[in-house]
Amino acid sequence: DAGVIQSPRHEVTEMGQEVTLRCKPISGHNSLFWYRQTMMRGLELLIYFNNNVPIDDSGMPEDRFSAKMPNASFSTLKIQPSEPRDSAVYFCASSRGTGANQPQHFGDGTRLSIL
Amino acid sequence: GESVGLHLPTLSVQEGDNSIINCAYSNSASDYFIWYKQESGKGPQFIIDIRSNMDKRQGQRVTVLLNKTVKHLSLQIAATQPGDSAVYFCAEGDSGNTGKLIFGQGTTLQVKP
Repeated sequence: DAGVIQSPRHEVTEMGQEVTLRCKPISGHNSLFWYRQTMMRGLELLIYFNNNVPIDDSGMPEDRFSAKMPNASFSTLKIQPSEPRDSAVYFCASSRGTGANQPQHFGDGTRLSIL
Repeated sequence: GESVGLHLPTLSVQEGDNSIINCAYSNSASDYFIWYKQESGKGPQFIIDIRSNMDKRQGQRVTVLLNKTVKHLSLQIAATQPGDSAVYFCAEGDSGNTGKLIFGQGTTLQVKP
């Protein structure tokens, strides 16, 4: 079975540019999570969706970040305008069901570098 | 200036020995716990989970122990292999049944051949 698929795997762009990260969750999973991982702060939850609806976006750093889930098989995380401090690895994860007691399955991430 | 990052604890073991990675959690109301393994350049990979109505669960070469009295979780890896070298994260499920996981900072496991 295909796991969580993220694209691109690497992105290097100049500050001020718009960045769009993409995620395809595991088929049949109802919850989707976006995380950011840095050496300074570890793994941080940015936002998550249940049944395509954003439930908690309290981890989104600021208004420059936005996320959408137009359907059950696709989500995007957008940064506009990007800044060097946004450089990190961004992970998408999905889980079956919408409650606790569910393992989340992670993609291999997008390594983002903002120059 | 010098950058400061997280200083992950490191466990160094000899190949073939058993490894024990420890984790303390904060919320006594948490009822779900999970261990992940993260190799360089990859996302966290699910290893094993346990619910609060259990104190031990075994998988292939791995055992998770839960001590709710002292809010402590451990991951035991039997006959550690070089391929086990990675960063290991424990996480607890949000007690509000939201589906969120709260991750620890991680422990680096180094396996010496």
